[in-house]
Amino acid sequence: QVQLVQSGAAVRKPGASVRISCKASGYGFTDKYLHWLRQAPGQGLEWMGIINPKNGNTNYAQKFQGRLTLTRDTSTTIVYMELSSLESEDMAHYYCARDNGIGGWSRGVFDYWGQGTLVTVSS
Amino acid sequence: EILMTQSPATLSVSPGESATLSCRASQSISTNLAWYQQKSGQPPRLLIYGGSTRATGIPARFSGDGSGTDFTLTISSLQSEDFAVYYCQQYNKWPLFTFGPGTTVDIK
Repeated sequence: QVQLVQSGAAVRKPGASVRISCKASGYGFTDKYLHWLRQAPGQGLEWMGIINPKNGNTNYAQKFQGRLTLTRDTSTTIVYMELSSLESEDMAHYYCARDNGIGGWSRGVFDYWGQGTLVTVSS
Repeated sequence: EILMTQSPATLSVSPGESATLSCRASQSISTNLAWYQQKSGQPPRLLIYGGSTRATGIPARFSGDGSGTDFTLTISSLQSEDFAVYYCQQYNKWPLFTFGPGTTVDIK
């Protein structure tokens, strides 16, 4: 079965960086795009970026340009999300999610989600 | 950016009744709309995409309709497990995906 398993909660100081992993299993890792989204406490969902695990190509929401980096390791089927220059407003649950596009393209629909990783930003 | 709005913010429904949730896009998105359900402490769950196509394993009591700018999600005969927050999401403009603010369906 398809599973996306994320790394555990993280606490960072303002200005620091955080890296979260997302281990994919149960399907062809390079066949499906993976996205990262976040949700601040009590708030809605915000799309952050997408990575093509086949070639590592990425696209980021303009809001996160310059401080968001998505990478992947095909040998371990893990995708990483690194967000730098953290502020209190970055405190949120971060989710990886699989794209349900077929034939090697991205549709932009999120059919499987990781369990979420809470990032706390506090001095 | 395509802005998504949802109404109502909260819908109080008795078990067994039906619920209709609305979602509106700030510009036409064809049928490039998905619906998700989220329960407290859990990630979202895909219910509907393409405006009306149920995702794998989603019960038939969930149905989606609409195209252009106006969409609805109907849940017929609400079960206890259906009380949750529902989000709509547009994917018409790749990769500028945006979500609505959500509708909470709670027990009347």
